Amino acid sequence: TQLLEQSPQFLSIQEGENLTVYCNSSSVFSSLQWYRQEPGEGPVLLVTVVTGGEVKKLKRLTFQFGDARKDSSLHITAAQPGDTGLYLCAGAWGDYKLSFGAGTTVTVRA
Amino acid sequence: DVKVTQSSRYLVKRTGEKVFLECVQDMDHENMFWYRQDPGLGLRLIYFSYDVKMKEKGDIPEGYSVSREKKERFSLILESASTNQTSMYLCAIHSQVRDTQYFGPGTRLTVL
Repeated sequence: TQLLEQSPQFLSIQEGENLTVYCNSSSVFSSLQWYRQEPGEGPVLLVTVVTGGEVKKLKRLTFQFGDARKDSSLHITAAQPGDTGLYLCAGAWGDYKLSFGAGTTVTVRA
Repeated sequence: DVKVTQSSRYLVKRTGEKVFLECVQDMDHENMFWYRQDPGLGLRLIYFSYDVKMKEKGDIPEGYSVSREKKERFSLILESASTNQTSMYLCAIHSQVRDTQYFGPGTRLTVL
């Protein structure tokens, strides 16, 4: 199993503020995925990053994959209450296997 | 759209009971997975299957078994439930076309 560490574990911010979640590992992954999970539901894929140094943007969300393909970050600009949820990073390795971080619980207060 | 369904959203069982958690997918995907999710620990892989009647242990298989008699159905079995198996159980399939995993809504199991 490849270990992924996410930080911070909890994040509470005011609407309109920016936030960054980090995902780090000592292992190299073929790709890294970010999921968002709401209470009582399964995780839903937000993005997959594949190339070292890659940056992807989804509206107010920016995802970056480290040059060495060992770490990643998720940055949310001008957070809204609808961004509240559990954010999970997952590294792909082996045959379709994923190793997940413990998750970051984000709360955006109105 | 990929659809992964799990038989129950909430389940309460007693210690020692045999528990079956069912997962069904509708798109003929070969790869299916069972995870458990606990606060502060993320998702941990219990078992996975690459095809009918094929299964492989994940990181935490102890106390669990699986069955895959048909391609669309992957069952997780707790032979004798214990209180430390109280958790959220998530089933997922891997889409080779999109190279990603799609999850079911989860089953929150409580063992008393």
